Amino acid sequence: NAGVTQTPKFRVLKTGQSMTLLCAQDMNHEYMYWYRQDPGMGLRLIHYSVGEGTTAKGEVPDGYNVSRLKKQNFLLGLESAAPSQTSVYFCASRTLRGSGYEQYFGPGTRLTVT
Amino acid sequence: KNQVEQSPQSLIILEGKNCTLQCNYTVSPFSNLRWYKQDTGRGPVSLTIMTFSENTKSNGRYTATLDADTKQSSLHITASQLSDSASYICVVSALSGTYKYIFGTGTRLKVLA
Repeated sequence: NAGVTQTPKFRVLKTGQSMTLLCAQDMNHEYMYWYRQDPGMGLRLIHYSVGEGTTAKGEVPDGYNVSRLKKQNFLLGLESAAPSQTSVYFCASRTLRGSGYEQYFGPGTRLTVT
Repeated sequence: KNQVEQSPQSLIILEGKNCTLQCNYTVSPFSNLRWYKQDTGRGPVSLTIMTFSENTKSNGRYTATLDADTKQSSLHITASQLSDSASYICVVSALSGTYKYIFGTGTRLKVLA
């Protein structure tokens, strides 16, 4: 099992450009999450999904959109990137219940917006 | 407001020494507390999890304690190794309708040879 994978690992964007980050999990997990991690701050939830075809806003959703067309994939989109979106983005997944609701994290995507 | 605070922010110790990291939380209703290890350039990986009724949990050289009355947790690392150099994140979960995870800002540990 690969667990949770993220594509790409690194990306540099110019202000105003768009991009999509891909998260894939092979554990058949129902829940998937997108977080951003910034220096001196805890991980902050951007959007999450409780199942295929459903998404919900987290703590810091502005400027991002998500889609979950397939259970194993969760896409994070930036329509018009801004320097404030420079961050490391982590995807996580977990099963519906059990395992103490443990989240499994991907390796992260480092995004720089100039 | 749900909050998780960790101390110290950073710590440097010599290989072979012990250390203790602290986590204080104000999260309600409390479900469980988990410690994660995050190596540089990697995603967090779970070390231990404790529920309300558990006081201590070990995972090799890592021992976590929980005092639910004072809302404090600690992570003790015994006989540190160079590979322990990482950030350690305390995450408290709350179950109120939906399940929420409240992340601390982490303690960055560096172990020197």
